[in-house]
Amino acid sequence: DAGITQSPRHKVTETGTPVTLRCHQTENHRYMYWYRQDPGHGLRLIHYSYGVKDTDKGEVSDGYSVSRSKTEDFLLTLESATSSQTSVYFCAISDMGNQETQYFGPGTRLLVL
Amino acid sequence: SQQGEEDPQALSIQEGENATMNCSYKTSINNLQWYRQNSGRGLVHLILIRSNEREKHSGRLRVTLDTSKKSSSLLITASRAADTASYFCATGLIQGAQKLVFGQGTRLTINP
Repeated sequence: DAGITQSPRHKVTETGTPVTLRCHQTENHRYMYWYRQDPGHGLRLIHYSYGVKDTDKGEVSDGYSVSRSKTEDFLLTLESATSSQTSVYFCAISDMGNQETQYFGPGTRLLVL
Repeated sequence: SQQGEEDPQALSIQEGENATMNCSYKTSINNLQWYRQNSGRGLVHLILIRSNEREKHSGRLRVTLDTSKKSSSLLITASRAADTASYFCATGLIQGAQKLVFGQGTRLTINP
């Protein structure tokens, strides 16, 4: 298994509170991605990073921000959580030499009440 | 917007039978990939086929790609109970980083 961990694995929060999810990799891969998975929608790309401090928006980036200050960590922040952000969030990584293949973390289940 | 549309949404077969899942997409791609997801787990990469390839094999998996019809199929031969999972196609387009756009998935159940 690729060395990817996500924390927390489960979180319950209230509407309007800030939430930060962390993705940590031990593979020294260049590219990191955040997806959300919802019934009927498959996985949708939120944000991605192509290097330290280099990030860009994905398909469903509204309401989310990201930061990458170190190669191994990619943070996803919900500035003010809403119920529509209740979802399962997955981090993925890919390497510069084989960026086509992405390796996924175990996911974080987020419930916004 | 959804790129990959998968068919069927659910498939139930007997152990030992073959399972076929289909994926259609809308725009140009560099590659198409298939991933498996066991319940409550992350996705696992199965196989990748590039836009200039027509067929690829990996163990019991066979994937085909028809770029003129913008469609792909995944065949799992001699299915096993452990193949029970959801299967997702994802189209890849490299624009700096590779961006994957996933379909909604096919839920495969293998009955013993």
